[in-house]
Amino acid sequence: SAVISQKPSRDICQRGTSLTIQCQVDSQVTMMFWYRQQPGQSLTLIATANQGSEATYESGFVIDKFPISRPNLTFSTLTVSNMSPEDSSIYLCSVEFPANTEAFFGQGTRLTVV
Amino acid sequence: AQKITQTQPGMFVQEKEAVTLDCTYDTSDPSYGLFWYKQPSSGEMIFLIYQGSYDQQNATEGRYSLNFQKARKSANLVISASQLGDSAMYFCAMREGQSGGGNKLTFGTGTQLKVEL
Repeated sequence: SAVISQKPSRDICQRGTSLTIQCQVDSQVTMMFWYRQQPGQSLTLIATANQGSEATYESGFVIDKFPISRPNLTFSTLTVSNMSPEDSSIYLCSVEFPANTEAFFGQGTRLTVV
Repeated sequence: AQKITQTQPGMFVQEKEAVTLDCTYDTSDPSYGLFWYKQPSSGEMIFLIYQGSYDQQNATEGRYSLNFQKARKSANLVISASQLGDSAMYFCAMREGQSGGGNKLTFGTGTQLKVEL
């Protein structure tokens, strides 16, 4: 299994500002995933973060809005830039291991933009 | 077309009874994995059970079992002996391709389960 620490757990932010969410894993992983869950909705993948390369973004998500860093094999950040109320969501990071079928999730960051 | 379909937005079950949450999927990849997650109001995603497309037997984990019907492309979750703490949102998800290959999970819309006394 894996222990994934995600910070902050929740935040209330002013529109137009940016928030950086951190995801720390207790062991090395190749792939880290960032998901968004809008209120009352399912999870949608924002991007896949590989160490040492640019993140791969899903359709509808762009780097300028959701820049991602992956400086090493245990850590990643997601920034939500120039926030608007529509960005109010739960953001979750997820990892998987080559020899393991399970996808592990962080505790999530509950973001409210006012 | 939806890759994962959960047709039950909400379900009620009496405590100690069993409940089945439905999930159907759509993929042309012969290798895939099916997951069920529980999401309480706190927002965390709790892994419950996994079924691989090549697994011959239905997966079981304690009170959770997965009724895997490959020909029908269904992967229903069965919770036996429901407890009040089972009240939560439940998501079915699929990963296409090999495990550990860095493939994303695609989630269904979820089923809100309420366990009553």
